[in-house]
Amino acid sequence: AQSVTQPDIHITVSEGASLELRCNYSYGATPYLFWYVQSPGQGLQLLLKYFSGDTLVQGIKGFEAEFKRSQSSFNLRKPSVHWSDAAEYFCAVGLRYTGNQFYFGTGTSLTVIP
Amino acid sequence: DAGVTQSPTHLIKTRGQQVTLRCSPKSGHDTVSWYQQALGQGPQFIFQYYEEEERQRGNFPDRFSGHQFPNYSSELNVNALLLGDSALYLCASSSRGGANTGELFFGEGSRLTVL
Repeated sequence: AQSVTQPDIHITVSEGASLELRCNYSYGATPYLFWYVQSPGQGLQLLLKYFSGDTLVQGIKGFEAEFKRSQSSFNLRKPSVHWSDAAEYFCAVGLRYTGNQFYFGTGTSLTVIP
Repeated sequence: DAGVTQSPTHLIKTRGQQVTLRCSPKSGHDTVSWYQQALGQGPQFIFQYYEEEERQRGNFPDRFSGHQFPNYSSELNVNALLLGDSALYLCASSSRGGANTGELFFGEGSRLTVL
């Protein structure tokens, strides 16, 4: 069965510390991969995406993610977290043969402490 | 350039009622998808409309139906509301044509509460 797993429900980091949010997927082929961020009461904003090529992708707000085919992972990282990064983060996959139907993980809630 | 707009932003209904949610896609986009996001969960795919037809459907009952208009805007209808239908309903737009960048652009959602 197809699935997207975000094993960390909630993460707390200090402002200025580094951050890594984990994402694993289970599909038969390499899908399109995305990270979205959702602030309270808001829609989803795209942070970055991976389709092919260089496995380290850069996104907005200083985020980056690395695709590791052998581990079926697409972990999100940021070297120095800002208080404004507190939000819900969702990993998503889009299967190439289904066009733009996306499957989302259950999300990781990030709290940033001063 | 207007992004994806949804209306209403909040609404309250009672069990058994029907609701209609509306979405206007981002300029240049021709495909609209609807997602349901229950509290504490990730968005779940309901269905996708392109060229005024339902093209894909997720695991949702027939109480959920939709429509796409010639101007690409879309409606989501839910009949015979259940308490479990309470959720944030997200509209996402994309393009199957030359403007296809692969990602979905989301609106801010319509928060439905069923009492």
